[in-house]
Amino acid sequence: GQQLNQSPQSMFIQEGEDVSMNCTSSSIFNTWLWYKQDPGEGPVLLIALYKAGELTSNGRLTAQFGITRKDSFLNISASIPSDVGIYFCAGQNSGAGSYQLTFGKGTKLSVIP
Amino acid sequence: DAGVTQSPTHLIKTRGQQVTLRCSPKSGHDTVSWYQQALGQGPQFIFQYYEEEERQRGNFPDRFSGHQFPNYSSELNVNALLLGDSALYLCASSGLMGTGELFFGEGSRLTVL
Repeated sequence: GQQLNQSPQSMFIQEGEDVSMNCTSSSIFNTWLWYKQDPGEGPVLLIALYKAGELTSNGRLTAQFGITRKDSFLNISASIPSDVGIYFCAGQNSGAGSYQLTFGKGTKLSVIP
Repeated sequence: DAGVTQSPTHLIKTRGQQVTLRCSPKSGHDTVSWYQQALGQGPQFIFQYYEEEERQRGNFPDRFSGHQFPNYSSELNVNALLLGDSALYLCASSGLMGTGELFFGEGSRLTVL
């Protein structure tokens, strides 16, 4: 099935550093979402974006819905050890009557104390 | 407030067997979606149930079937298991029709030998 292109695949950063990751698609979505998955757990919603150009924050997390509606970005500021996990982007075309989420392959984040 | 609960958490089957996975949605939610997550991949949409009907289906064969009960709980059935069906099966619930803001369970880890 289709998956979004997420980059980087993995990253190692020092505690306190900022992190950026992105997601691109060949198709347009009218909703972009970012989820985080910890080992042995299901994904947890971090941020949902509903409008092209929208910039939304959730604590140290900031995400943007790309103007072309084919991409999205997630930034994490001042990383801490509990930020470790796999971050997934997901797109949805609810306006086209589709309920499914299309996920990326994930960005695995490791934080070095 | 109980979140999404899934059972069993782990199971091992052999090729050709059948399996049933169960899901109870978060309290107040009436929509249940099922996703398959292979190792190192993002979740892939299987189908979504609302009002006891399959509302949308992803690109999965007919061996994958489901059911939703009047209390909104759901089952995923997979017949004639293949080695490639080994994966984490995630159930997600939502309370707003069409939303991508999903609450995921911890998943059922299926291993097919």
